[in-house]
Amino acid sequence: QVQLVQSGSELKTPGASVKVSCKASGYTFTSYAINWVRQAPGQGLEWVGWIATNTGNPAYAQDFTGRFVFSLDTSVSTAYLQITSLKPEDTAVYYCARDSSAWVWGQGTLITVSS
Amino acid sequence: QSALTQPPSASGSPGQSVTISCTGTSSDVGTYDFVSWYQHHPGKAPKVMIYEVTKRPSGVPDRFSGSKSGNTASLTVSGLQAEDEADYYCSSYAGSNYVFGSGTKVTVL
Repeated sequence: QVQLVQSGSELKTPGASVKVSCKASGYTFTSYAINWVRQAPGQGLEWVGWIATNTGNPAYAQDFTGRFVFSLDTSVSTAYLQITSLKPEDTAVYYCARDSSAWVWGQGTLITVSS
Repeated sequence: QSALTQPPSASGSPGQSVTISCTGTSSDVGTYDFVSWYQHHPGKAPKVMIYEVTKRPSGVPDRFSGSKSGNTASLTVSGLQAEDEADYYCSSYAGSNYVFGSGTKVTVL
């Protein structure tokens, strides 16, 4: 079955970087884009952006330009979200989701940024 | 891009119906039939309840239904059950991006 499995929780200090992985299985990876969605504590869902898996072309929501970078390794059907220069306000659960008519979601990765 | 507007909360007794609105603009909900509704329990991945305005994924009870009129989409949950208590989010395609709703907490009284 179609599945997205994300890497585990991370605790980082401010200024560090983190890379979240999202491994797809059960379908042809390059047939669907991958979206990234954030949920900060007590807040709603927020679209971070997406990456076309056939071209590697990313698009970022306005609030997520600069420090947020999407990448791919199509040889292992995996998408990545890297966040650099982490700030405490980046603390959130980050989800990947397959961009199909009905999105298929990963289980989420909690990133905690604290000194 | 601003979030789609949802009421913060909605409630109903078991067996009753509740309808959640999701108001956007002519740049998103009003133009595209790519509105989805998600049920979200804390600590779990969001679950698609409705996609493309009215379609239900297999396994989702037919108590859940979606509709759209102009710039506003709606999710109706009929025959409320205790397990329907959750946060619900709408989302819409907006041309080159997606936008989510602000979320509605549904309480089953």
